[in-house]
Amino acid sequence: AQSVTQLDSQVPVFEEAPVELRCNYSSSVSVYLFWYVQYPNQGLQLLLKYLSGSTLVKGINGFEAEFNKSQTSFHLRKPSVHISDTAEYFCAVSEREAAGNKLTFGGGTRVLVKP
Amino acid sequence: DGGITQSPKYLFRKEGQNVTLSCEQNLNHDAMYWYRQDPGQGLRLIYYSQIVNDFQKGDIAEGYSVSREKKESFPLTVTSAQKNPTAFYLCASRRKSVSYEQYFGPGTRLTVT
Repeated sequence: AQSVTQLDSQVPVFEEAPVELRCNYSSSVSVYLFWYVQYPNQGLQLLLKYLSGSTLVKGINGFEAEFNKSQTSFHLRKPSVHISDTAEYFCAVSEREAAGNKLTFGGGTRVLVKP
Repeated sequence: DGGITQSPKYLFRKEGQNVTLSCEQNLNHDAMYWYRQDPGQGLRLIYYSQIVNDFQKGDIAEGYSVSREKKESFPLTVTSAQKNPTAFYLCASRRKSVSYEQYFGPGTRLTVT
């Protein structure tokens, strides 16, 4: 069975500083990888996804992530954060051949951007 | 605009009562999903449906039931058998054979006292 670990539950960061959110997954088969963002009391919005091809994936709002197959990681980065990036971020994985393309989520990383 | 609607935004119930959460989508998506979110635990899959009149249990289906009579609608019933129903519930949908990501509704926060 697949699993996802987000190594940091909370990440405080100053405005205009870079941020990296770590995500490691475990799966015995090939996977698709996703990062979602959730603002308070709202649903999830897709930031970016890795399906195949280039391991560096660019998403919305200046975020990017790098897929590392050997380390089974999919870390999310942003070179300069804004106050509006304060939110919770979820890494998710879906096994390629799984019925229903079910997503397994990590526990989330809460990012607090300080002025 | 196309999207996923969940109603109501906040729902309060007494212990022992069944309650049904609504999820409607006008995206023409084939698959629909229900997740439960608790603080610090991410999202956990309750049920999913890939076509009308068919659905499968997810990881935490006990105490929940669903139906899929129409492509656009996937209501979730939280029964009195669910031991700890207070949570944030999220509905999602996906267009099969086109994309792999799921699109989420705004969620319903259920409080049972």
